[in-house]
Amino acid sequence: AQSVTQLGSHVSVSEGALVLLRCNYSSSVPPYLFWYVQYPNQGLQLLLKYTSAATLVKGINGFEAEFKKSETSFHLTKPSAHMSDAAEYFCAPTGGFKTIFGAGTRLFVKA
Amino acid sequence: DADVTQTPRNRITKTGKRIMLECSQTKGHDRMYWYRQDPGLGLRLIYYSFDVKDINKGEISDGYSVSRQAQAKFSLSLESAIPNQTALYFCATADRDEQFFGPGTRLTVL
Repeated sequence: AQSVTQLGSHVSVSEGALVLLRCNYSSSVPPYLFWYVQYPNQGLQLLLKYTSAATLVKGINGFEAEFKKSETSFHLTKPSAHMSDAAEYFCAPTGGFKTIFGAGTRLFVKA
Repeated sequence: DADVTQTPRNRITKTGKRIMLECSQTKGHDRMYWYRQDPGLGLRLIYYSFDVKDINKGEISDGYSVSRQAQAKFSLSLESAIPNQTALYFCATADRDEQFFGPGTRLTVL
C-alpha cells in the first residue's frame, strides 16, 4: 500500500529565499506523483506532476520537483519565495485511480 | 463558471440532523470523489465513483452515504450528523490521474 510523508507541517521562509518542501513516499511500484497547492479558502489545484517522462518536473509559479527513485523522494523547490506563495502544499502519490494525500505543509513567507 | 461546484459553501447543523452536500461538474469526467480535510491529516477519501453505476467506499466511509444521480452530480449525505464530522469537505473529479477540486463545504456539527 502506498503511503506518503511530508516532513514539516509548517515551513517559514523569508521573501526571496529558497523554498524546500519535502515529500517521501513508499510504494513497491513507482506511482504517479503530484503536488497540489491550496490557497486560503480555496480548493486544491495542481502545481505539478511526475508521470515518468522526466525526473525533473516544472510546474506553475516557478516551482519544480525532482523525482529520486533511490530515495523515494519528490521534494518541491522554488529558488525565490514570493509572498503569494503562502499556502498549504500537498504531496500526492497516485496509482490505480486513487490518490493518497500527505498531511500537508503550510508555507509562510515573511516580508 | 467554475468547473466543479459545491453547495452549500458553509453549513452549521445540530447533532442527529440529516444533511446533504451536493457537487456538480461541467468537466465531463466519469470519476468523482468526496474527501474530508482535517487540520494535520490532509485529505481523506470518503467515497468515489467511476460512473453512475459504480460507487466505492473510501477509507472513512462510516457515517456517510453517497448518490450519483448523473455523470455530473455526486451528493454526499450524513444520515445523522455528529460533532466529529465537523470538517471541510471537498468534491473532486478526475481525468486520468489529475484531480480537479471544488471550492469546499465547511460543515460544523454542534
